[in-house]
Amino acid sequence: GNSVTQMEGPVTLSEEAFLTINCTYTATGYPSLFWYVQYPGEGLQLLLKATKADDKGSNKGFEATYRKETTSFHLEKGSVQVSDSAVYFCALSDFGGSQGNLIFGKGTKLSVKP
Amino acid sequence: NAGVTQTPKFQVLKTGQSMTLQCAQDMNHEYMSWYRQDPGMGLRLIHYSVGAGITDQGEVPNGYNVSRSTTEDFPLRLLSAAPSQTSVYFCASSYSSLAEKYNEQFFGPGTRLTVL
Repeated sequence: GNSVTQMEGPVTLSEEAFLTINCTYTATGYPSLFWYVQYPGEGLQLLLKATKADDKGSNKGFEATYRKETTSFHLEKGSVQVSDSAVYFCALSDFGGSQGNLIFGKGTKLSVKP
Repeated sequence: NAGVTQTPKFQVLKTGQSMTLQCAQDMNHEYMSWYRQDPGMGLRLIHYSVGAGITDQGEVPNGYNVSRSTTEDFPLRLLSAAPSQTSVYFCASSYSSLAEKYNEQFFGPGTRLTVL
């Protein structure tokens, strides 16, 4: 079945450090891929998405590229800020098999220290 | 637009009690769903609906009931609460599950439920 695996947290970085959160997936067909962010005490917000191979999603300085050959969708940011502290979820949606339902990774908690 | 709203924000139940978590959206979305979030487990799908009058089970449906009588509302019912249902519950909605390959889901703020 479809699944998403992302790196275990928590991740602690200093402000302006480079961020990578790894995400790999298993899916039949050609899923869409997403990164969601959850700030403390809030619901999830879509951060970025990619719908086909080699697409690059980007938003707020974050980027992720849909790599079909390595089944990966790693999240990167060149210079993190304290305000980026949150939990990040990688997710996929297989519209062919599951009516568009999202399958989430377990989440990675990021803490950025000043 | 209020987006996706959920009530209550917090709830404490005793084992065996029943309750309904409310979810409403004002974006005329066809697709709505319920997830539960547990530490180290990510979010798991409980039930979903592709339109008024149509519901289906997700990954972890046991102990929960849903109905969809209107486009706007999608309540989640716990029939007899158990400690294993202690979790944070999120409702989400989107325009349509099948209209296009990419379809952003909008999440509510969540309900934190504790079952003693």
